[in-house]
Amino acid sequence: GAGVSQSPRYKVAKRGQDVALRCDPISGHVSLFWYQQALGQGPEFLTYFQNEAQLDKSGLPSDRFFAERPEGSVSTLKIQRTQQEDSAVYLCASSERFGRGGIYEQYFGPGTRLTVT
Amino acid sequence: AQSVAQPEDQVNVAEGNPLTVKCTYSVSGNPYLFWYVQYPNRGLQFLLKYITGDNLVKGSYGFEAEFNKSQTSFHLKKPSALVSDSALYFCAVRRYNTDKLIFGTGTRLQVFP
Repeated sequence: GAGVSQSPRYKVAKRGQDVALRCDPISGHVSLFWYQQALGQGPEFLTYFQNEAQLDKSGLPSDRFFAERPEGSVSTLKIQRTQQEDSAVYLCASSERFGRGGIYEQYFGPGTRLTVT
Repeated sequence: AQSVAQPEDQVNVAEGNPLTVKCTYSVSGNPYLFWYVQYPNRGLQFLLKYITGDNLVKGSYGFEAEFNKSQTSFHLKKPSALVSDSALYFCAVRRYNTDKLIFGTGTRLQVFP
């Protein structure tokens, strides 16, 4: 079956521009996660959703970062007024169910590589 | 605070030899532990997880990992390495009452023919 897809795969933005990154999770997956992976580092948690509810946004680095999942399926990560330090790979992951009742692995998309010039 | 340490940036092994990629963790309460592999220009692929039960967990592609509570370790192992195993490996921990994963910095495995 289809895995997690993300678009665009590559994005170059000039400093100060707004960007929107899209994630299509695996069909039927309730939980959706966003991670940021800087060059040479492991992924770092940004935020996560259960259906349309954003349950944890503690990892968002600033108020320039905003995520939404209005219908509980596709999610968009928006970064306003991009800065050079936002350059990274943004990974989306989905899992089958809300985690507390069961331990389900997260399935990751290929990521969007954002370069801010 | 939760954390994961992967002490080796790179591990080199000859094809056919056993391999070990090390991981130690720090978390309050019972940990849930995961290994993921990342190939170039691709997302992370799930290999295996430890939740409870047997300390030796078997996963995809012949990999296994051993949970050691006293040493707070979860090392990834494979009895016979393949050149195609060359990739970046990440260990991750999840605390029992949260859903987010905390990743280590990754270990690059290089298998030489």
